[in-house]
Amino acid sequence: SQQGEEDPQALSIQEGENATMNCSYKTSINNLQWYRQNSGRGLVHLILIRSNEREKHSGRLRVTLDTSKKSSSLLITASRAADTASYFCATQGAQKLVFGQGTRLTINP
Amino acid sequence: NAGVTQTPKFQVLKTGQSMTLQCAQDMNHEYMSWYRQDPGMGLRLIHYSVGAGITDQGEVPNGYNVSRSTTEDFPLRLLSAAPSQTSVYFCASIRLGQGTTPHGYTFGSGTRLTVV
Repeated sequence: SQQGEEDPQALSIQEGENATMNCSYKTSINNLQWYRQNSGRGLVHLILIRSNEREKHSGRLRVTLDTSKKSSSLLITASRAADTASYFCATQGAQKLVFGQGTRLTINP
Repeated sequence: NAGVTQTPKFQVLKTGQSMTLQCAQDMNHEYMSWYRQDPGMGLRLIHYSVGAGITDQGEVPNGYNVSRSTTEDFPLRLLSAAPSQTSVYFCASIRLGQGTTPHGYTFGSGTRLTVV
């Protein structure tokens, strides 16, 4: 079974608004990563947060991690049309990287 | 620096045929892995390798074989293709120890496989 569960499965917002996606997982992790996938393309790494970190920023991205609740969130601020994609969280234990089912984000002009 | 290269990009097989999906990386990454992506299922780990001569199973290994004779290459073999193996396959790699750095995994562009 997959490690991560993402919520919502699909999200549609207006350009300029903020988008928040959530990820929950089941077992202990070394780190949690977020990836973006444009339609029909490979995955691109966005950001990694270690298990001893609580928050991390990269440009318009903000990631939080709550290991007590086994959950993470990805916030994209001031969304743009180019942010339309699927977003996946992935948890890493000792070696394997295990993905959630993803959130399909649509930014409407 | 080509990153992770997957070939072919598209393939149609008949049930029972065999084929090998190729994955090569030129970044000297010890860890390589194969995922399949199906609609609504996200990415599921098939097999992975932490170095030449070492492979292990992921979540969905049945019907697939792998080998790792060199650091650069990690081919995925389908011995007798079945319609249930219709999917998009991704190869990913990382240098071991980078899991705790800002660097994530590098993915190939995928192989879209249809089994009829």
